[in-house]
Amino acid sequence: ELKVEQNPLFLSMQEGKNYTIYCNYSTTSDRLYWYRQDPGKSLESLFVLLSNGAVKQEGRLMASLDTKARLSTLHITAAVHDLSATYFCAVEGRSQGNLIFGKGTKLSVKP
Amino acid sequence: DTEVTQTPKHLVMGMTNKKSLKCEQHMGHRAMYWYKQKAKKPPELMFVYSYEKLSINESVPSRFSPECPNSSLLNLHLHALQPEDSALYLCASSQDLWHEQFFGPGTRLTVL
Repeated sequence: ELKVEQNPLFLSMQEGKNYTIYCNYSTTSDRLYWYRQDPGKSLESLFVLLSNGAVKQEGRLMASLDTKARLSTLHITAAVHDLSATYFCAVEGRSQGNLIFGKGTKLSVKP
Repeated sequence: DTEVTQTPKHLVMGMTNKKSLKCEQHMGHRAMYWYKQKAKKPPELMFVYSYEKLSINESVPSRFSPECPNSSLLNLHLHALQPEDSALYLCASSQDLWHEQFFGPGTRLTVL
């Protein structure tokens, strides 16, 4: 059974600081996704990582994928309050279209 | 049109009611999904349709019945639900099964 583990589950940051969220998964997978969810809202797609060594950046967020280590990271640079949300990583399960989500990391950025 | 729409946004129903959730996309996507998300939990896949045929049913109770009338529409029929079925129900679509999924705004369901 595919397991997806995120850590930390809760992250309180000060504005301007850097931090990394980690996503480990238990079996081989060709693609990994990062989503953002604001309270009471739907999921917003952030990144799709399709190959080993893939790195994508959007604003203050950068995601990377190491398929050999079965690890993805989401790096936050110079955090701002607007980044406060819950971040999920997701990996394709035993069949196409079957996304398995991590538990999510609730990020709170304080002034 | 680059979004997935869902109706209604909120739904309150009794355990004996029959209701339906609707999802629509006009992006030409051929795969559509239903997820259930409880508070403070990740989304859990319920059903997947590919080219209007049910592809995945994640052992969902029969009180939830999906329907895909055409490539743009996905319904979830609800009957005899339990209070523990209260959750945010999310619809998603993707170009095909192995492509990025785009989520709708969700329907917040409360079962009394």
